[in-house]
Amino acid sequence: DGGITQSPKYLFRKEGQNVTLSCEQNLNHDAMYWYRQDPGQGLRLIYYSQIVNDFQKGDIAEGYSVSREKKESFPLTVTSAQKNPTAFYLCASSYGTSQETQYFGPGTRLLVL
Amino acid sequence: GESVGLHLPTLSVQEGDNSIINCAYSNSASDYFIWYKQESGKGPQFIIDIRSNMDKRQGQRVTVLLNKTVKHLSLQIAATQPGDSAVYFCAENHTGRRALTFGSGTRLQVQP
Repeated sequence: DGGITQSPKYLFRKEGQNVTLSCEQNLNHDAMYWYRQDPGQGLRLIYYSQIVNDFQKGDIAEGYSVSREKKESFPLTVTSAQKNPTAFYLCASSYGTSQETQYFGPGTRLLVL
Repeated sequence: GESVGLHLPTLSVQEGDNSIINCAYSNSASDYFIWYKQESGKGPQFIIDIRSNMDKRQGQRVTVLLNKTVKHLSLQIAATQPGDSAVYFCAENHTGRRALTFGSGTRLQVQP
């Protein structure tokens, strides 16, 4: 059963805490992405990775970090520096990064306690 | 700056009618466009895409039209069904940018 999985579905963060969101894909895609979605708004790009061990900042990378140690995995860490982390986080993947359809995971909703 | 936006935030249609969702873009270098459907609490689902060398593309019950002259994109859904109720996003990409730029979305409400 191929696709993109994200976990957990809901995540709660305390003040000053770092949290990590998981994203895994078995589609053999080279490129992976993280987006943030706020209520009633579109998606904004946080980070993307075109290949293993390489990643680039997107439009709103401040307060976030990523790693790409394996082709299948692209975890996102929301650090304590991100002052407004409450949002819906979406991971996507594609074969390439230009003119390629991106396929999305089910999302993780992050809430601050 | 570059932007992708939608004309109407909410579109309400009767079941069985055709729906048209519009999208404007500002970057003349945009060469790839895609429509996604997002249901509440879920990730966006691919509907249809189109490249700039085309002006029309059809899928199952959906048609995307691209007018490069006025930088306008539309999604037409034939015989709209209750299951089509969702938020629809257009997105664009262009050579040199490594990820999609999304519009803010249009909510489609299908009335029985």
